[in-house]
Amino acid sequence: QVQLQESGPGLVKPSQTLSLTCTVSGGSISSDGYYWSWIRQHPGKGLEWIGYIYDTGSIYYNPSLKSRVIISVDTSENQFFLRMTSVTAADTAVYYCARAMGWFDPWGQGTLVTVSS
Amino acid sequence: DIQMTQSPSTLSASVGDRVTITCRASQSISSWLAWYQQKPGKAPKLLIYKASNLQSGVPSRFSGSGSGTEFTLTISSLQSDDFATYYCQQYNTFSSFGQGTKLEIK
Repeated sequence: QVQLQESGPGLVKPSQTLSLTCTVSGGSISSDGYYWSWIRQHPGKGLEWIGYIYDTGSIYYNPSLKSRVIISVDTSENQFFLRMTSVTAADTAVYYCARAMGWFDPWGQGTLVTVSS
Repeated sequence: DIQMTQSPSTLSASVGDRVTITCRASQSISSWLAWYQQKPGKAPKLLIYKASNLQSGVPSRFSGSGSGTEFTLTISSLQSDDFATYYCQQYNTFSSFGQGTKLEIK
């Protein structure tokens, strides 16, 4: 079955760019009908949708984060990516990648990113 | 933006109890709603999609209902494994989540 795994630095300095990779295994990222998504969870808090990319290349972002976020995909590597610019301590969170058909399933295990100098 | 509001925020119950969690949307989302279970340190797990469809492998004691702006997740007979935090998610317009309901042991 499809599995997702996040990777990237666990510590990012304020004002710098957060970059994460999600590697998809057990299935093709080019499969029809799926959105490939990023979601985050601040420590002890709820879930926040960041955005997703469709297999045709259409991309949708949470309006509250849109100015700082870029999601991209590399179908040859079966990976998709999150870049978030100008990070602050408020961006400290566990970042999840997930496959979506509206609902999110499956999810990666999540990766904690801490923004601190 | 569509706001999702869950109630209660915390629920204390005992093994064997029937419990219901409510999720309200700030505008109609038809049946475009999912429910998740999350345990500490783990990713959320999909339970229900399209308001009432049980995800494969999820026990039948979980059920979902509702449409429009009001939805419920019901656990018919609580098991010890069910104590966790539950989230609703709308996917009518982009996506957004409720704030969560923590189900605690009474």
